[in-house]
Amino acid sequence: QLQLQESGPGLVKSSETLSLICTVSGGSISSSSYYWGWIRQPPGKGLEWLGSIYYSGSTYYNPSLKSRVTISVDTSKNHFSLKLTSVTAADTAVYYCARRYISSWWVWGQGTLVTVSS
Amino acid sequence: QSALTQPPSASGSPGQSVTISCTGTSSDVGSYKYVSWYQQHPGKAPKLMIYDVSERPSGVPDRFSGSKSGNTASLTVSGLQAEDEADYYCSSYAGSNNFDVFGTGTKVTVL
Repeated sequence: QLQLQESGPGLVKSSETLSLICTVSGGSISSSSYYWGWIRQPPGKGLEWLGSIYYSGSTYYNPSLKSRVTISVDTSKNHFSLKLTSVTAADTAVYYCARRYISSWWVWGQGTLVTVSS
Repeated sequence: QSALTQPPSASGSPGQSVTISCTGTSSDVGSYKYVSWYQQHPGKAPKLMIYDVSERPSGVPDRFSGSKSGNTASLTVSGLQAEDEADYYCSSYAGSNNFDVFGTGTKVTVL
C-alpha cells in the first residue's frame, strides 16, 4: 500500500528557506503514470496547490509562488523535496505531499505543520 | 490563478441531500472534464471522493455524485449521514501553465 510521509523542521524563521522531504514507501516514485506534488493549508483556511513534479524532473508551479518554490526529485532515495524561499508568517501552514494521477490527488501524506516565526 | 468559488457552508438533516457548487472560469472548470472533490475531516488529510467530474474511486459510497454545467461543477451528497459532516473542496485542472486550482471550501453540517 502506497504511503507518503512528510518530514522537516516544524519551525522556520522569517526570511529563511522552508525545506521539506516527502518519502514514498510501498511504491516507486519512478512510475510513469504519476505526478507528485505539494499542497498546503494555512490554519483554518483552504487548500493551495504549490507545485508538481514528474519523476523525470519536469516541474509545474503555482504562478503566484513560482519565484519562491522549487520542487526536486531523488529517484535513488524514492523521495521528492520542497524548498520555499523568503518565508513570512503567511507561509505558516500544514504542508501535504501527495500523488497525482490524471488530474486528481489520490494519495496524501498525513501533513506536517510548519510555523514561520519572526 | 484564482481559487474556485464555493459557498462557505451547507447543511442538511440526516437522510436529506445537500448540493455544493464550485464555480470557476472558462480557463479551468469550463474547459476540462478534470474536476475533483475532496472530503476533509478535522485534523486529517483530504480524501478523494470524486474525480473526472462524476467518477467515484473504489470504496466511496454511491451517495456521493458529481456533475458539471459550463463553468460550475457540483457535488451532491444524498442520504446524509453523520460521518459526512466535513469540509469539502473542489479542484480543477487549469491548463499546462496553471495546472491545478482548488476551491475555497465548503463546511457541510449534518443537523
